[in-house]
Amino acid sequence: KQEVTQIPAALSVPEGENLVLNCSFTDSAIYNLQWFRQDPGKGLTSLLLIQSSQREQTSGRLNASLDKSSGRSTLYIAASQPGDSATYLCAVRNAGGTSYGKLTFGQGTILTVHP
Amino acid sequence: GAVVSQHPSWVICKSGTSVKIECRSLDFQATTMFWYRQFPKQSLMLMATSNEGSKATYEQGVEKDKFLINHASLTLSTLTVTSAHPEDSSFYICSAQKGTYTEAFFGQGTRLTVV
Repeated sequence: KQEVTQIPAALSVPEGENLVLNCSFTDSAIYNLQWFRQDPGKGLTSLLLIQSSQREQTSGRLNASLDKSSGRSTLYIAASQPGDSATYLCAVRNAGGTSYGKLTFGQGTILTVHP
Repeated sequence: GAVVSQHPSWVICKSGTSVKIECRSLDFQATTMFWYRQFPKQSLMLMATSNEGSKATYEQGVEKDKFLINHASLTLSTLTVTSAHPEDSSFYICSAQKGTYTEAFFGQGTRLTVV
C-alpha cells in the first residue's frame, strides 16, 4: 500500500528565506507527482505536476524535483513571502496496487511566513 | 490551469435531510471525477471515483447508499449525502481530470454541517 510522508509537519520562517519541503513515497510505481497548496477552509490549488519520467518542474519561485527510484520529491520555494503561508500537500498518482490510478496524499506541511 | 467549481461552498442542514453538492468542470470535459472528505487538520480521504456514464466506484468503508454519486455529463458530478447525521459533518472536496492519469484540479470544497 502506497504511503506518502511529508516532512516537516510545520515550518515557520521569516520573510525572504528560501525553503525546502520534503515528500517521500514508499512505492515507486507512480505516473506522476503533484504539489498542491491549500488555504484554510479552501480547496486545493495545483502548483506543479511532475511526470514520472521528469526530474523537475519550475513555476515562478517554485521548483519541484522528483527522484522516483528513491521515492522522494522536494518543493523549493525561493524568497518566501507572507502570502505563501498555507498547507502544502504532495500527492502521487499510483501506477500499481489497489490504488491504481488514484492519488495518495501526504499529511501536508503547514507553512507560516512571518513578516 | 483548468477550473473546477463546487457548489455550495457551505451548507447547514438538519439531521435526516439530504444534501446535494455539485462539482463542475467549467472549461474542460472531465472523464473522471473524484470525491474526497477531509477532517480537521487531516489530509484528504478518497471516497469514490466517478466516471461519466457509469456507476461510481466507492472506497472501502464508504457507504454507497449514504453517499450517492452521479456523473451524468462530462462536466458535472454530484454527491448527495442522504439522511444526514451530525457525524457526516465534514469538508467535502471534488477533483476533475481531463484524462485518466493527467493533472488533477480541485474544487473549492463544501463545508457541510449537520445539526
